[in-house]
Amino acid sequence: DGGITQSPKYLFRKEGQNVTLSCEQNLNHDAMYWYRQDPGQGLRLIYYSQIVNDFQKGDIAEGYSVSREKKESFPLTVTSAQKNPTAFYLCASRQGAGVINQPQHFGDGTRLSIL
Amino acid sequence: DAKTTQPNSMESNEEEPVHLPCNHSTISGTDYIHWYRQLPSQGPEYVIHGLTSNVNNRMASLAIAEDRKSSTLILHRATLRDAAVYYCILATYSGAGSYQLTFGKGTKLSVIP
Repeated sequence: DGGITQSPKYLFRKEGQNVTLSCEQNLNHDAMYWYRQDPGQGLRLIYYSQIVNDFQKGDIAEGYSVSREKKESFPLTVTSAQKNPTAFYLCASRQGAGVINQPQHFGDGTRLSIL
Repeated sequence: DAKTTQPNSMESNEEEPVHLPCNHSTISGTDYIHWYRQLPSQGPEYVIHGLTSNVNNRMASLAIAEDRKSSTLILHRATLRDAAVYYCILATYSGAGSYQLTFGKGTKLSVIP
């Protein structure tokens, strides 16, 4: 079945360490997104990409970096500059970056914790 | 940012209809109204969306007020699997062909057997 795969499901980070969260989609979607969710809160946009080799900052991009070298993949790196990285991270994709009618499809998330 | 207001929580009895309200008084003419739901430790799931007219699909119905400042998600017959956090979201054009979803805290729906 087509869908979005996020890995790992759980991730632990040591102080001063960068970690990379994987997001792969086989839906042939143009646009991909990364969100952060804190307990009891809604989702906040970190980065998004509408096409390969292009991406834009969302509302809370500081301390994060992304790349979009392939259409199917949009990895997120949580750098040591992100001082409060503990959260639930969600990746999403959408067909046709410029088409408002298409819904976003979400993965099942990665839960990141600090050791 | 375009914002929505929803009740923090609601309860419903199983097999009864549920009406989940949402206020979006600052909606602009090009904003679409989207609804998603989220189960614990899972990603959000798309439910329905609309612009001006009421919409129906296999999951739910969306009733949009004539002035578009409010909308209601209708689950016709609640089941235990419908217990989730429901997000009412405005899909807002943000330039350069991009549309953004701005998530609030949503409404936590509990379904009573």
